[in-house]
Amino acid sequence: NAGVTQTPKFQVLKTGQSMTLQCAQDMNHNSMYWYRQDPGMGLRLIYYSASEGTTDKGEVPNGYNVSRLNKREFSLRLESAAPSQTSVYFCASSVNGERYGYTFGSGTRLTVV
Amino acid sequence: AQSVTQLGSHVSVSEGALVLLRCNYSSSVPPYLFWYVQYPNQGLQLLLKYTTGATLVKGINGFEAEFKKSETSFHLTKPSAHMSDAAEYFCAVTSTGGGNKLTFGTGTQLKVEL
Repeated sequence: NAGVTQTPKFQVLKTGQSMTLQCAQDMNHNSMYWYRQDPGMGLRLIYYSASEGTTDKGEVPNGYNVSRLNKREFSLRLESAAPSQTSVYFCASSVNGERYGYTFGSGTRLTVV
Repeated sequence: AQSVTQLGSHVSVSEGALVLLRCNYSSSVPPYLFWYVQYPNQGLQLLLKYTTGATLVKGINGFEAEFKKSETSFHLTKPSAHMSDAAEYFCAVTSTGGGNKLTFGTGTQLKVEL
C-alpha cells in the first residue's frame, strides 16, 4: 500500500527559481490537499481540490499554483521561489465527507536560499 | 471560521506517567475532531477521531480522547507514557466552506523522560 507519495523528499532552490512538487495517491480518494508546516504554526492549507477538475485557495495561497492532473495526482508549483517559502510541504488526500480525516504523504523539505 | 487551540507547545512526562494533551475548539456547528501524531521526519498519522456517537474515543497505541461539548474540548490522554510516544501531536477540526477541510492546531511536542 503506497498511500500518498510525494516527490522529491528534499530540495534546495535559489531565490527566483521555480519547481513543482508532485503528489500521487492510489486510494481512489476524491479530495486532495497541500499544506505547509512551519515551526510553531502547525499546518496551514495552501490549496485543495475537492474533486477532480476543481481547485480552491486555502489559507496561504500566495506564491503558489496547483494542478489536479487527474484523480490520482495533485501538483504544487512555486513559480518564483522566495526564502519565506522555506518549509515542509505535505500533501494529503481524503475519501470525501468530513468524517474520514486525511491520509498524509511523508513530506517535502524545501529550502530557498 | 473554526479554530483549534492546543495549550502547551511542549509537554514533558516521565515514562509510565499519565499523558494529557489539551485541545479546545471553536465551532458554530457540531464538529468532527481528530488527533494526529507526527514522528520525526515523517508525515502525520491519524491517532483517533470523533464524528458522532460515543464521546469517549479510543485510538491506536493506547491513546483515547473525550469529546466534551459543554467545554468545547477534545483532550488526548494515555494512562502510561512510553518512550516511543515522544512525538508531535496535532488536534484538528473540520472547517466550514466545504471541501472537507481540516483546521489544525499549532501542535504539542511530547517528551518522555526516563
